[in-house]
Amino acid sequence: SQELEQSPQSLIVQEGKNLTINCTSSKTLYGLYWYKQKYGEGLIFLMMLQKGGEEKSHEKITAKLDEKKQQSSLHITASQPSHAGIYLCGASLAAGNKLTFGGGTRVLVKP
Amino acid sequence: EAGVTQSPTHLIKTRGQQATLRCSPISGHTSVYWYQQALGLGLQFLLWYDEGEERNRGNFPPRFSGRQFPNYSSELNVNALELEDSALYLCASSSSWVTNQPQHFGDGTRLSIL
Repeated sequence: SQELEQSPQSLIVQEGKNLTINCTSSKTLYGLYWYKQKYGEGLIFLMMLQKGGEEKSHEKITAKLDEKKQQSSLHITASQPSHAGIYLCGASLAAGNKLTFGGGTRVLVKP
Repeated sequence: EAGVTQSPTHLIKTRGQQATLRCSPISGHTSVYWYQQALGLGLQFLLWYDEGEERNRGNFPPRFSGRQFPNYSSELNVNALELEDSALYLCASSSSWVTNQPQHFGDGTRLSIL
């Protein structure tokens, strides 16, 4: 199994609806990072979570970290077409090291 | 502040040739990371450089190599290109690996092997 599991793989939501993406690690998390990628382009950094119970928000996007479950969730409130893209969670599974990425969640927002 | 810049944007090569990809990190960032994003395989870690030294390497053959220059820019070299090397190669930089600061990515180089 993969070290970092992301679900769902894809998501279609009606504009204005909320959506949640989950990311679960099989190893201890030293840092959890959320990125957004438009097809074939680079990754845009969204948020970083390092401490258990930590929650961060930016505009309509909220990310939480559950240290006990080694799990993070990304929640988008009142989705807009601009939220469409591929969301990737990346984790630092060892101090000062590479990022391991989940498989990504493709989000489509229907107007 | 300028972001991570990568060149070229696209590169077309044939099997057996060699490719060189370049990356300039954000000013002040000393760590540079290389990732491969091949179709169907997701983002895979390739190499990590910090202060001019190779710090870690992913599960890739030795024909994938690189270096980091004194100005912290970096090169990724791929020798004896194979068809499966076709992918988007992403470079990222961070200000501190000690405190797990986030990696910021460039727009990538799309390498196509014919």
